[in-house]
Amino acid sequence: GAGVSQSPRYKVAKRGQDVALRCDPISGHVSLFWYQQALGQGPEFLTYFQNEAQLDKSGLPSDRFFAERPEGSVSTLKIQRTQQEDSAVYLCASRGFGGGYNEQFFGPGTRLTVL
Amino acid sequence: SQQGEEDPQALSIQEGENATMNCSYKTSINNLQWYRQNSGRGLVHLILIRSNEREKHSGRLRVTLDTSKKSSSLLITASRAADTASYFCATDARGGADGLTFGKGTHLIIQP
Repeated sequence: GAGVSQSPRYKVAKRGQDVALRCDPISGHVSLFWYQQALGQGPEFLTYFQNEAQLDKSGLPSDRFFAERPEGSVSTLKIQRTQQEDSAVYLCASRGFGGGYNEQFFGPGTRLTVL
Repeated sequence: SQQGEEDPQALSIQEGENATMNCSYKTSINNLQWYRQNSGRGLVHLILIRSNEREKHSGRLRVTLDTSKKSSSLLITASRAADTASYFCATDARGGADGLTFGKGTHLIIQP
């Protein structure tokens, strides 16, 4: 596709439910990033993949958060036993090879609301 | 945690005026970027300035970087209603890792 796509765009979950958020990066982009954006705040880094390798997961807030990118393209962010504080917009971004300048292309985000 | 702080948090100006937003950050960087976010289009990359650059222009945008003060400014000239959005600075200050560190943003409103 022309840009980064994410699905679903909106997700409502009851506290304690598991959710899975999908990201389709720009075709051929090697690097993929997940960010969490709380209301009124800037995005905060969660995790980073280069191809299928998860090179940095230091931003994941707890062990309830898990991300994968098994074939080096589509990525899934999974949140287990969701809590109200998990309510946020989850943004995915991708970057092409040789992106030394670190310009990232963002998807529209998934807005997660935990009731 | 957020790396930077944008100033002001909110700004409202008349169409045609210039808008200036500032960003401060805390640690050494390789580059600094500005992004725009509105509800219709998500986060869009505007401009990147490298740590060895002091000023950069792109259309109606002018970015400055002062690494000695760890600060940057974004100037939008001749503002338009379509410039209404939130603006974020982002740095690569993660100790060489690749994720961006964003500030809290400036919400800009252009009044027609």
